Amino acid sequence: DAKTTQPPSMDCAEGRAANLPCNHSTISGNEYVYWYRQIHSQGPQYIIHGLKNNETNEMASLIITEDRKSSTLILPHATLRDTAVYYCIVRASSRQLTFGSGTQLTVLP
Amino acid sequence: GAVVSQHPSRVICKSGTSVKIECRSLDFQATTMFWYRQFPKQSLMLMATSNEGSKATYEQGVEKDKFLINHASLTLSTLTVTSAHPEDSSFYICSATIWGTSYEQYFGPGTRLTVT
Repeated sequence: DAKTTQPPSMDCAEGRAANLPCNHSTISGNEYVYWYRQIHSQGPQYIIHGLKNNETNEMASLIITEDRKSSTLILPHATLRDTAVYYCIVRASSRQLTFGSGTQLTVLP
Repeated sequence: GAVVSQHPSRVICKSGTSVKIECRSLDFQATTMFWYRQFPKQSLMLMATSNEGSKATYEQGVEKDKFLINHASLTLSTLTVTSAHPEDSSFYICSATIWGTSYEQYFGPGTRLTVT
């Protein structure tokens, strides 16, 4: 599976949009971009995934660049409960998830 | 939907004893379950992949005789840490994929193991 690069940490003000970047320059054509998050001492939580097109659900939006070499997860109105480690993972659909170090997002009051 | 539970949530055991952790898919049948381990301030590391009715596939460096995995049904997988030592203290997390879909993984809440 393609390797991903994320900033180790980010801060965001409560109520503002949180934009979390991810680089995956070696992504293959059959690999999806997945985002999970892990709140302290809990299991990871699925957020969203996409292949080529931008995706939106009740939690977040996923913007994938046209060349698919990078993506951005957007939390439109961050709350304190969104403080977590966010993992960007690239994988083919039948493969297991391989977690990198992720981005520690801290939402500040 | 797609809820995965783990039991126990926390366990403390003495060095040399064995401890069993259960992972259940509550509202779906899981073709495959995965076991991860997470040490403090580190990311999740895949330990093994478990398919119902067959032997688990272990990642390199994970001792299969120490971490026994049984996947007897489509809703239950167990991880037994045998002869536990303090260095086995960790956060153990399972996940499950839904039968016949796009292999989405749903994670359990994790089990905190402390070996004294």
